[in-house]
Amino acid sequence: GAGVSQSPSNKVTEKGKDVELRCDPISGHTALYWYRQSLGQGLEFLIYFQGNSAPDKSGLPSDRFSAERTGGSVSTLTIQRTQQEDSAVYLCASSRAISETQYFGPGTRLLVL
Amino acid sequence: GESVGLHLPTLSVQEGDNSIINCAYSNSASDYFIWYKQESGKGPQFIIDIRSNMDKRQGQRVTVLLNKTVKHLSLQIAATQPGDSAVYFCAEIPPGHNDYKLSFGAGTTVTVRA
Repeated sequence: GAGVSQSPSNKVTEKGKDVELRCDPISGHTALYWYRQSLGQGLEFLIYFQGNSAPDKSGLPSDRFSAERTGGSVSTLTIQRTQQEDSAVYLCASSRAISETQYFGPGTRLLVL
Repeated sequence: GESVGLHLPTLSVQEGDNSIINCAYSNSASDYFIWYKQESGKGPQFIIDIRSNMDKRQGQRVTVLLNKTVKHLSLQIAATQPGDSAVYFCAEIPPGHNDYKLSFGAGTTVTVRA
């Protein structure tokens, strides 16, 4: 079946602009996760959703970052007033239920100039 | 949080040979481990997992070994192929409320020589 999809695949923006990143999880997966992966670095947890609720936002780096999920499916991650240090690959994953195997999307490569 | 480390950042393997990728973990209470593969320009792809009540688990061309005594995890790839060239991450899932937070280190980059 279809895997996790993310859009856009690449995004170049200017410092100070807002960006929206989209994630379409695998159909039927109730849990959705956002991670950030900087060049040559490991994975950094940002936020997860169980249905439309976000019980754990502890990984969001600052209040410029927010995320929402509607209809228990699509999620958007919004970064306001982007900074150069926000440049990274933003990965979305989903799982059938919390703590089950997570399946990742291809990521959105964000470059802030 | 706990850190999960990999012994070597790079591994060069001759096509057809077997590969062994090692991982050391620090939380002795961790009870679930996963190996992911990430090819250039793609997201991490699940390869195989193992729970702490097992020492070994086999998949297609891959075997994961868990040594809880020394907190060591390894991934063995049989008859390595060019398509196996990627960065490999091990993820440690500690018990408790935050066991959904995958944590990867920098990974091991495997390059397969033709």
